[in-house]
Amino acid sequence: EAGVAQSPRYKIIEKRQSVAFWCNPISGHATLYWYQQILGQGPKLLIQFQNNGVVDDSQLPKDRFSAERLKGVDSTLKIQPAKLEDSAVYLCASSFERNSFNSPLHFGNGTRLTVT
Amino acid sequence: AQSVAQPEDQVNVAEGNPLTVKCTYSVSGNPYLFWYVQYPNRGLQFLLKYITGDNLVKGSYGFEAEFNKSQTSFHLKKPSALVSDSALYFCAVRDGTGQGGKLIFGQGTELSVKP
Repeated sequence: EAGVAQSPRYKIIEKRQSVAFWCNPISGHATLYWYQQILGQGPKLLIQFQNNGVVDDSQLPKDRFSAERLKGVDSTLKIQPAKLEDSAVYLCASSFERNSFNSPLHFGNGTRLTVT
Repeated sequence: AQSVAQPEDQVNVAEGNPLTVKCTYSVSGNPYLFWYVQYPNRGLQFLLKYITGDNLVKGSYGFEAEFNKSQTSFHLKKPSALVSDSALYFCAVRDGTGQGGKLIFGQGTELSVKP
């Protein structure tokens, strides 16, 4: 099966600019996740979608970050305006959540964002 | 609140020797435990999980992990390390009760296997 697709792979922007990341999950996977991975740390969940509804966005900095999954398939994560501390790898993952606790996550290769 | 700790930032082993990557966790309910591996410039790959049942779980690439409820640990092991096992390893936990389900990751342990 095709894996989780993310684009772009790399992005360099200046602070206060905006940026968007795109993710296409594995076909049939109802649940989609966006994680932020800062260098030297484990991934931190930003937002979780079940189909096109938000399940958890408690750690999403909503003053600058937004995400949508309009048709319950692919998703876009946006940062506006970016700060230096947003430099990280943004990972998208999906899972087939017949049983939400059992299903492992399938990750894309991530987008490495550098904010200068 | 649930949490997971990986006490070692780096583990160094010689090829052919056994390896252990340590993980301890804290959850209020039943733990659902996972190990993932990350190669450079790649996303995380699922290795194995513990949900219930046998405390010794076998996974991909010859890895296994032992669940110890009394010590709240879930250490990753492999009997004979390969150079190609060198990567970043993450332990993760989900609280299996309530409306949680959020997967919390440890900070990662870098495994280096030398020839």
